[in-house]
Amino acid sequence: QVQLQESGPGLVKPSETLSLTCTVSGGSISTKYWSWIRQSAGKGLEWIGRIYSTGNANYNPSLKSRVTMSVDTSKNQFSLKLSSVTAADTAIYYCARDVESGGWFPDAWGQGALVTVSS
Amino acid sequence: DIQMTQSPSTLSASVGDRVTITCRASQSISLWLAWYQQKPGKAPKLLIYDASSLQSGVPSRFSGSGSGTEFTLTISSLQPDDFATYYCQQYNSYFGTFGQGTKVEIK
Repeated sequence: QVQLQESGPGLVKPSETLSLTCTVSGGSISTKYWSWIRQSAGKGLEWIGRIYSTGNANYNPSLKSRVTMSVDTSKNQFSLKLSSVTAADTAIYYCARDVESGGWFPDAWGQGALVTVSS
Repeated sequence: DIQMTQSPSTLSASVGDRVTITCRASQSISLWLAWYQQKPGKAPKLLIYDASSLQSGVPSRFSGSGSGTEFTLTISSLQPDDFATYYCQQYNSYFGTFGQGTKVEIK
């Protein structure tokens, strides 16, 4: 059974770049889609973006100018970078595996990583 | 963006009750809707996909129905483990969006 684990700094300063990594175990990252989703009190659950194991990515239009996702198949990991963060980016960040049926939806989630943006 | 609206926002119910949560989409999403359960401090858990398909391992008291713009999640007989927040999510477009959630509380 696939397991996902987020890792990265829990505190990021305003205007800096948030960086998180998701390590996948119990299955290969190859030939699958992987997403980042965040949850905040103000905006609820918000999809950030999706990446395929080859590196092809799609992003939420509202975040597209600040988001970069990447994948490292040799480490079975994928990553998120969100630049120029503000307090509004404070949230629990989840990585997830997407499955396809009509569109893509997450069927397995990491436990989540709380990231606070504060000086 | 496709907007998803859930009702009610909060629902008070007793063990054994039949519970129904509604999710409406701002435009047709065919059958491309999922339901998730989330407990405090935990990640969402997939319950239903394609509007009515039960995810493996999920109890049969959970069921989903609907198509187009209106969908429902039904719990046929509420159990103590079911007190949680439930979210719908559309995946008709590459850009999935979630409802705001329905919290099921103990009456």
